[in-house]
Amino acid sequence: KNEVEQSPQNLTAQEGEFITINCSYSVGISALHWLQQHPGGGIVSLFMLSSGKKKHGRLIATINIQEKHSSLHITASHPRDSAVYICAVPRFGWDTGNQFYFGTGTSLTVIP
Amino acid sequence: DTEVTQTPKHLVMGMTNKKSLKCEQHMGHRAMYWYKQKAKKPPELMFVYSYEKLSINESVPSRFSPECPNSSLLNLHLHALQPEDSALYLCASSQGPGTVNTEAFFGQGTRLTVV
Repeated sequence: KNEVEQSPQNLTAQEGEFITINCSYSVGISALHWLQQHPGGGIVSLFMLSSGKKKHGRLIATINIQEKHSSLHITASHPRDSAVYICAVPRFGWDTGNQFYFGTGTSLTVIP
Repeated sequence: DTEVTQTPKHLVMGMTNKKSLKCEQHMGHRAMYWYKQKAKKPPELMFVYSYEKLSINESVPSRFSPECPNSSLLNLHLHALQPEDSALYLCASSQGPGTVNTEAFFGQGTRLTVV
């Protein structure tokens, strides 16, 4: 069983659409990370959140610690948002060093 | 400087070659990591260094040999690799063990092809 489950695995959207990616996890955590990986590239940290909601530009991340669920939303999607989005939680609840359980990733393609 | 820099970006090596991957950060982080990522899969943890000491080795074959010469540098020495070792190798760093809710920073990766 995976400690972190993401859905959908693949997502194609038209430019301008509102996008939601979901993440569910089974371990106790203090914070959850959303990461972005462009094709052939490194990983960029988008959000680290432990409660409620965070917003950076067109990206919004929410978390419900009781339900062990998080969502990443992209408003007014753009082709440059095309990437793999990965949900990650610390292997050790209180984050002793950022070792992660990773979700399998959601591959997003935004078509102009 | 909030970057993790990896070199080289691409590497092609034969199965008898010896090569090294390099990772550098100047954020004062005391934990550094090597991950291996195959296509369309999430990263897999290989090694963790805490305060320049190897704290975790995830049963990685000995043909991969990590080294942390100082708090800013992390190397991965490669020798007698197999074609199945071809992957993206990612370095990451974070503030270190004992810190709570800290962000991890990842490098751009080295795309390794073993021929």
